[in-house]
Amino acid sequence: GQNIDQPTEMTATEGAIVQINCTYQTSGFNGLFWYQQHAGEAPTFLSYNVLDGLEEKGRFSSFLSRSKGYSYLLLKELQMKDSASYLCAVRPPYGQNFVFGPGTRLSVLP
Amino acid sequence: DVKVTQSSRYLVKRTGEKVFLECVQDMDHENMFWYRQDPGLGLRLIYFSYDVKMKEKGDIPEGYSVSREKKERFSLILESASTNQTSMYLCASGTSGRATDTQYFGPGTRLTVL
Repeated sequence: GQNIDQPTEMTATEGAIVQINCTYQTSGFNGLFWYQQHAGEAPTFLSYNVLDGLEEKGRFSSFLSRSKGYSYLLLKELQMKDSASYLCAVRPPYGQNFVFGPGTRLSVLP
Repeated sequence: DVKVTQSSRYLVKRTGEKVFLECVQDMDHENMFWYRQDPGLGLRLIYFSYDVKMKEKGDIPEGYSVSREKKERFSLILESASTNQTSMYLCASGTSGRATDTQYFGPGTRLTVL
């Protein structure tokens, strides 16, 4: 079976740091992706992890622990434009399909 | 930049109508996907295609069919629309080359079935 879990909603303040968690139970693993989706728009790629550890990309970082089936997306120096949904997706070992989590809607307040 | 376009942003249809959703990508990607997105359920895969005239069922294919006659175009067909097919429909494309290859999404079609 395949199951991916994320918090439904989070709220944070402009300038702060927020961590969005993702836990997964999938039959096999070939990488974890994070996407950002603004309301009414297409998801856009943020980051990819396949090995354990932290990947940093400017204000955004993503962490993976394969043994724990756990990832998080860390957003630093939050800006109002970071208000969006953040989707966690796992790629199984075969094929090009992704399994998506339900998404976390982040609201950044002034 | 990769561009994935969908034929309509908003669509309103009546129960029982046949509905066509079109998706076109301009990056010569082998793989194309149709998802529906519903609150609290995330993106769910309806069908995908890894080559022209090839198609595979995703997690929720019931009530849908697809067509891929050309590499750049992937169509989703609702043979007889029902109210439970009211949703946001997202098309995506991607390559088969590397595990790091992401999927690129179109802007979505919000379909309402009355």
